[in-house]
Amino acid sequence: KNEVEQSPQNLTAQEGEFITINCSYSVGISALHWLQQHPGGGIVSLFMLSSGKKKHGRLIATINIQEKHSSLHITASHPRDSAVYICAVSPILNGNKLVFGAGTILRVKS
Amino acid sequence: DVKVTQSSRYLVKRTGEKVFLECVQDMDHENMFWYRQDPGLGLRLIYFSYDVKMKEKGDIPEGYSVSREKKERFSLILESASTNQTSMYLCASSLAGGYNEQFFGPGTRLTVL
Repeated sequence: KNEVEQSPQNLTAQEGEFITINCSYSVGISALHWLQQHPGGGIVSLFMLSSGKKKHGRLIATINIQEKHSSLHITASHPRDSAVYICAVSPILNGNKLVFGAGTILRVKS
Repeated sequence: DVKVTQSSRYLVKRTGEKVFLECVQDMDHENMFWYRQDPGLGLRLIYFSYDVKMKEKGDIPEGYSVSREKKERFSLILESASTNQTSMYLCASSLAGGYNEQFFGPGTRLTVL
């Protein structure tokens, strides 16, 4: 079993829909990261969080440390949100070495 | 604007060739990383460097070596390229410490024929 599991693997939504991507992990962590990768390669860090909730524009990330679960929400989705969303954790024992989920491929149709 | 750059976006090499992938960061970061990304497998760490001339093996170091002679530059070397090393290679950097945001380069798509 992978240490970081994401669901769903693939997601297709209509423009304007509210989207949720989930991430569960099995190791003790210092922080959890949400990353975005557009077609063509480059990865951008969206959030790094260790408790509670963070918001940036239409993106919201939450984490429940006790349940070892995080969610990434996208409100009022737009075709430009189409990308791969990757959850990664910084383990307590070695926070420098991220452990990655397999990613969620999101396609938002207009 | 912070930046991690990689020497090539696309690279085609032949089996047995020695391949150098270069990564440069301008943020004075202590940590630098090399990952490979394959469909269905996600990102996997090849090597990690936490200081000049210092390195640690990641999850899949076999067939690769690295060099960090200057703080801003981290090179990945494929001593004798093989077809199973065809992949997307991503470099990243971060500040030292327990955990910090990693900044990624644009990636190099390497094809070994």
